[in-house]
Amino acid sequence: SQTIHQWPATLVQPVGSPLSLECTVEGTSNPNLYWYRQAAGRGLQLLFYSVGIGQISSEVPQNLSASRPQDRQFILSSKKLLLSDSGFYLCAWSAESSYNEQFFGPGTRLTVL
Amino acid sequence: EDQVTQSPEALRLQEGESSSLNCSYTVSGLRGLFWYRQDPGKGPEFLFTLYSAGEEKEKERLKATLTKKESFLHITAPKPEDSATYLCAVQGFNQAGTALIFGKGTTLSVSS
Repeated sequence: SQTIHQWPATLVQPVGSPLSLECTVEGTSNPNLYWYRQAAGRGLQLLFYSVGIGQISSEVPQNLSASRPQDRQFILSSKKLLLSDSGFYLCAWSAESSYNEQFFGPGTRLTVL
Repeated sequence: EDQVTQSPEALRLQEGESSSLNCSYTVSGLRGLFWYRQDPGKGPEFLFTLYSAGEEKEKERLKATLTKKESFLHITAPKPEDSATYLCAVQGFNQAGTALIFGKGTTLSVSS
C-alpha cells in the first residue's frame, strides 16, 4: 500500500530564516505530487504541483519554491520566511496520469515569529 | 471562476441525530467532486469521489450524493467519533495540473 510522509511535524522559525520541508511517498511510481497550504479560516490552497522529476508548476506567486529531486520526493523551500508564511503545509499525491483523488500526508505546522 | 461553498460552517448534533452537509460548486466542466474528512492537526482523509449527477456512494454512516450544482454528505445516526471537519473539493476540466478547489469545510461536533 502507498504511504506518504512529511517532516518535520511542527516547526517554529524566525522571520527571515530559511525553510525546507520534505515529503516522500512510498509504494507507488511516477506519482503526481502537490504542496498545499491551509491557513486559519481559509480552504486549502494549492501552491505547487509536479508531474515528474524536475517538473514544477506554481499556482500562486509567493515567497516559496519547490523542487523534486527524486521521483517520490518533493521539497518546499524558502530563502527568507515572512510572517504570512505561517500555516499548515500539506503534501499530497495522486496516481500517474490520474486526474482523480489526491491523498494527503500528515502535514507540517509552521509558525513564523 | 471555479469555486466551492460549504454550509453550514459548523454543525452540532446529538448522537443518533441524522443530518446533511451541503457543498455548492461552480466549475467549468466537472471532472470530479471529492469529500474528505480532516481531524484537528492532521491531513485530510479521502472519503468519496463522485463523477456525475445522480451518483451516490456510501461508507458506514456516510452517504454522498451529487447533482449538477451541489453535493450532500448525509450522516445517519452519527456517533461522537464522526466529529471532524468535512471538506468538499472539485476538479474541473479547465484546472491546470489536476488541481483541486476546496471549500472551507463544515466542522461537525457530535455529542453523546
